[in-house]
Amino acid sequence: DTGVSQDPRHKITKRGQNVTFRCDPISEHNRLYWYRQTLGQGPEFLTYFQNEAQLEKSRLLSDRFSAERPKGSFSTLEIQRTEQGDSAMYLCASSSRDTQYFGPGTRLLVL
Amino acid sequence: DAKTTQPPSMDCAEGRAANLPCNHSTISGNEYVYWYRQIHSQGPQYIIHGLKNNETNEMASLIITEDRKSSTLILPHATLRDTAVYYCIVRVAGETSGSRLTFGEGTQLTVNP
Repeated sequence: DTGVSQDPRHKITKRGQNVTFRCDPISEHNRLYWYRQTLGQGPEFLTYFQNEAQLEKSRLLSDRFSAERPKGSFSTLEIQRTEQGDSAMYLCASSSRDTQYFGPGTRLLVL
Repeated sequence: DAKTTQPPSMDCAEGRAANLPCNHSTISGNEYVYWYRQIHSQGPQYIIHGLKNNETNEMASLIITEDRKSSTLILPHATLRDTAVYYCIVRVAGETSGSRLTFGEGTQLTVNP
């Protein structure tokens, strides 16, 4: 399968713990995006990379959130000191130009 | 990016055409219309996009009105697996375009046997 992959698919953590998610984009896609989706809502944009450069961040991305794409290939999204409000589906997408292709998402539950 | 308006829900009989409308009355000349769908608990799936001409691919057809203020996504022979939330998104495209997709609440399409 050459689509966008995300790991893990599910994560349960206790409030206050740190979590890290990984996204592997479609090969040769230079653009990578993170979105968050809560129940009953459409996905909301978090951040965007072109190659290894983080070009845009949403106001949703508080200082507890950090994303990296060190070699311009895979990306990680870390949430520090998780809160119950962080419970959501975290989606990654990639593109070579305009059309974004999404991964299956990582579902996070903070207890 | 321009705002879109979609009905919250629609029903369709299996085997019949599903026609999903979208209003985007403030669309600009350089904005494309994109359609994605999201089956329960999965990531959004790209369906089709267009600028002003009608488009067709193996999944669906996109009909854009001449004034570009509205469009219709057509699934010609809906199956139970087409049950999903369908999102209509308007955005600028190209090398210097903005990055994000702005999702609304979409239309929940239910295909009934």
